[in-house]
Amino acid sequence: TQLLEQSPQFLSIQEGENLTVYCNSSSVFSSLQWYRQEPGEGPVLLVTVVTGGEVKKLKRLTFQFGDARKDSSLHITAAQPGDTGLYLCAGAYNQGGKLIFGQGTELSVKP
Amino acid sequence: KAGVTQTPRYLIKTRGQQVTLSCSPISGHRSVSWYQQTPGQGLQFLFEYFSETQRNKGNFPGRFSGRQFSNSRSEMNVSTLELGDSALYLCASSSLQGRELFFGEGSRLTVL
Repeated sequence: TQLLEQSPQFLSIQEGENLTVYCNSSSVFSSLQWYRQEPGEGPVLLVTVVTGGEVKKLKRLTFQFGDARKDSSLHITAAQPGDTGLYLCAGAYNQGGKLIFGQGTELSVKP
Repeated sequence: KAGVTQTPRYLIKTRGQQVTLSCSPISGHRSVSWYQQTPGQGLQFLFEYFSETQRNKGNFPGRFSGRQFSNSRSEMNVSTLELGDSALYLCASSSLQGRELFFGEGSRLTVL
């Protein structure tokens, strides 16, 4: 059972465009994390959101945690080819190493 | 600070064999988690060890096992390999208080 639905699964855009990736669940998480993974490497943490309604910005990336702590979104402004990669959301029920991952969004930004 | 180190990076086995993968966490991290990543299922949690004790376990058959040593290094073992076990096996470590996971580059297992 996939507890975290991530969409879209694939996204191919031109440099300079904006995009949003969604992560939805029927479960309440204590925190939600976003990772980025490049081919041949492990996922790298981008951000952790903990409080319902929380918004965090990381340069051109904006992350939001839903008020009910069941969903999250990642918005990228003016995407660049260097943003290409697999974006993963992951929910945690408590502290510790067990995360529930979404299926991932494969982003391709063409110059 | 050195990152999470996984060995071997690549390996090929045949059905029925067994395999052992190793993970050295970031210095000072006592929690080590293992995940299986496949194109169809994505990242799935296998188990987590903390201070040599299994703290959480995912929904994998008993052929998948792990352990953690006193220096926090961890190993996972898969016995009686099946074709479907072909995957990238990722190890991640985290600090005592942290939720964030720091992943290694993974061990790519191919079962023929």
